[in-house]
Amino acid sequence: NAGVTQTPKFRVLKTGQSMTLLCAQDMNHEYMYWYRQDPGMGLRLIHYSVGEGTTAKGEVPDGYNVSRLKKQNFLLGLESAAPSQTSVYFCASSKTGSPNYGYTFGSGTRLTVV
Amino acid sequence: DAKTTQPNSMESNEEEPVHLPCNHSTISGTDYIHWYRQLPSQGPEYVIHGLTSNVNNRMASLAIAEDRKSSTLILHRATLRDAAVYYCILRAGGTSYGKLTFGQGTILTVHP
Repeated sequence: NAGVTQTPKFRVLKTGQSMTLLCAQDMNHEYMYWYRQDPGMGLRLIHYSVGEGTTAKGEVPDGYNVSRLKKQNFLLGLESAAPSQTSVYFCASSKTGSPNYGYTFGSGTRLTVV
Repeated sequence: DAKTTQPNSMESNEEEPVHLPCNHSTISGTDYIHWYRQLPSQGPEYVIHGLTSNVNNRMASLAIAEDRKSSTLILHRATLRDAAVYYCILRAGGTSYGKLTFGQGTILTVHP
């Protein structure tokens, strides 16, 4: 049981380039989340999805887009990367939005924008 | 969202119990108390959660105050692998869609 898998694990982008981060979960979870983690800032929610075909903005959505075409996948896109998007990105999933369930996190994608 | 307050850091010796405190004086009746930990260079990992009663699992125990305004995560015998940042988070349902809002957490150092 793989849980939550993020690809790629590392990436270096030039300013202005685009890329897509893939999150895949095999637990049949309804809810999925994208967070970024910066030194001294903790984890901040970028976007989330409460089911296939749905997305919603989190705390820091600017500069990112997401899609949830399949229940098991949640994609995070950067259309024109900026140095301020240098961060570690974590994907998470939860069976439902009920607070009686925990999150499962992926191992992260370390992105550097130069 | 209701907030939590944790000490910035704590230290422990290996094989000793560790009690990590968390204050959440504005908790609502339907908020669950969640604990996660993040080992160096890894993603956060679920540890335990509870609503009113104390909870035990293979990783830890969660002691919840009777008025629910505070809780304590208990690691019964700390190991070097328990050195991590521990986050106490209130998870609400309803229109919050169960989103977790992370604070700064408690950095736990375990000495051999």
